[in-house]
Formats: sequence, C-alpha cells, structure tokens
Amino acid sequence: EVQLVESGGGLVQPGGSLRLSCAASGFTFSTYSMNWVRQAPGKGLEWISYISPTSSTIYYGDSVKGRVFVSRDNAKNSLYLQMDSMRDEDTAIYYCARMGGVGRNWFDPWGQGTLVTVSS
Amino acid sequence: EVVMTQSPATLSVSPGERATLSCRASQAISPNLAWYQQKPGQAPRLLIYGASTRATGVPDRFSGSGSGTEFTLTISSLQSEDFAVYYCQQYNYWPPLLTFGPGTKVDI
Repeated sequence: EVQLVESGGGLVQPGGSLRLSCAASGFTFSTYSMNWVRQAPGKGLEWISYISPTSSTIYYGDSVKGRVFVSRDNAKNSLYLQMDSMRDEDTAIYYCARMGGVGRNWFDPWGQGTLVTVSS
Repeated sequence: EVVMTQSPATLSVSPGERATLSCRASQAISPNLAWYQQKPGQAPRLLIYGASTRATGVPDRFSGSGSGTEFTLTISSLQSEDFAVYYCQQYNYWPPLLTFGPGTKVDI
C-alpha cells in the first residue's frame, strides 16, 4: 500500500523554525517527484514546494520563497521541509503529496497531514 | 498568474440527486485539470485527472468534463459518503504554477 506519513508539526513562535518530515512507503520513492501542500484552518489548498526525484529541480510558491527549503533522502524514503522565519500566516496543516510522474502533474496520494501553529 | 474559480461555493443536495460542480480558469488549461475530494478531518483524495479520467478506485458516478477554461465535475447520484469539499487544480502552467480553486462544499 502506498503511504505517506508526515511528522514534525507543532507550536512555534513567530520568527521561529520547524522541520517537517514525510516518510514514504509502498512505492519506489526515488523515482517520484514530491510536493508539500498546505491548508490554513478552514481554508483551501495551497501548493508550496516541489522537488524532483534526484533533487535536481526545486520550486517554491511565492508565499514561502526564501523562507522554506525542501529536501529529500532517497536512501531513507523521506521528504523534508525546513521552515524558517515563520509567520502567523504559516499556520496550517501541511501535507506531503506524490506527483504522478512526467506529465502527470497531479497529487496522488496525500499524507494525513501535520498541523503547524505559529503563535506567541 | 492563473486564477481558478469554483461555483457554487456551497451546493445543497439530497442523497440520490445529481450534483454539478463548476470550475473555471482565467486562461485556457485544457485538459490539464484535476479534481480532489476532501472529507472533514481527512486529506484530499484524487478523483479525476486530465479533466475526465477517473483515478483508480473512484466510483463511476463521478465524471469530469470540459475544455479550455470551463470544467465540470458531475456526481450522478449522491451517496452519503460523497458529502465533502471538492477542489479543482490546474497543472497546465506547471512548472512552476500549480493552482487550486477555492472549493465547493457539497452538503445535505
């Protein structure tokens, strides 16, 4: 069974940092592009980061550019999101999601999400 | 920038009825559109990609159609488990733009 499990969420003060992790299983992780998508409480979905299978290509959404850094460890089947200089508006559930492959730029599956709360 | 809009914001229907959800893009994106279902407290689930192809395991009461800038998700006969929020997503302008619509809530 393909599975993505996020961890690392929690309460962080404005200006602080947090590192999220996503553990993948049930598929050949090293051959898939991965993404982070977030959802503020009661709001819609916002794509924030993409990383290619070999980490050679990385993209960020405008709202997080310069403050977040995505990485992956294919040997550990893991995806990471380092978030710095955090703001109140970064409060959200953060999902990792697999992209389908070349030309298959939709998200399937998604992890269950990890909640990040930015508050003093 | 590609802006995605969805209508209506909320759709109230009865079990067994047909539901029609709309998604509009500010620029042509055909056929690079996906639909997702999100139930309360759950992650989104892929329903449709390529505007009209059902994802694995998705019941055939779900169908997608449309082209250019106008797309539709139809649920032919609503079941109790279909009450959820539905999002469309364009990937025509990827990279680097991946844009979701604001969602349509289908409730009883």
